[in-house]
Amino acid sequence: DGGITQSPKYLFRKEGQNVTLSCEQNLNHDAMYWYRQDPGQGLRLIYYSQIVNDFQKGDIAEGYSVSREKKESFPLTVTSAQKNPTAFYLCASRSQGPGNQPQHFGDGTRLSIL
Amino acid sequence: GQQLNQSPQSMFIQEGEDVSMNCTSSSIFNTWLWYKQDPGEGPVLLIALYKAGELTSNGRLTAQFGITRKDSFLNISASIPSDVGIYFCAAEPNIQVRNTGNQFYFGTGTSLTVIP
Repeated sequence: DGGITQSPKYLFRKEGQNVTLSCEQNLNHDAMYWYRQDPGQGLRLIYYSQIVNDFQKGDIAEGYSVSREKKESFPLTVTSAQKNPTAFYLCASRSQGPGNQPQHFGDGTRLSIL
Repeated sequence: GQQLNQSPQSMFIQEGEDVSMNCTSSSIFNTWLWYKQDPGEGPVLLIALYKAGELTSNGRLTAQFGITRKDSFLNISASIPSDVGIYFCAAEPNIQVRNTGNQFYFGTGTSLTVIP
């Protein structure tokens, strides 16, 4: 089935540790996004990428890093510089074809601090 | 990015009742989307709207793209227990703005509880 796969579903981070969240899509979408979701808040954009080997900072990029070496993959690293990483992280993708194509989301990764 | 003003924040309704929620903004948008999110899951697209004044249905759901392009509403008719969840609106500005930064704005969500 075509879709967006995020892994792991749950992740725990120790103090001072970097962790990487995986996002893979087989929809042949050009653009991919990472959002952070906190209780009672809307989605906040961390990073996005419109083509391979290129990505842009979103509104809350500090303490995070990404790479886009393949069209299908857009991993997010939460670094030790991110002091409040506990949140639900959502990956999304969309086609950059004609018209305003909607974003489609993965099932999320919940990150907690040990 | 800019947040859309979504209301109400939460709703508690009896099964069988109709539901209405809306999103407003001071900015003009070219696309309005409505998503539903179940606890611990990612948002699922319900309805996409691309033209001012457009009215689109998906089963018991109906959504409209406001004529001013600054708002949208979602109606759910004859609610059932599985309608429980958080509903988000999302909107995209025109293509000239889109290519310069954040491509989608999101509402803060409406939490719906359906009482059997």
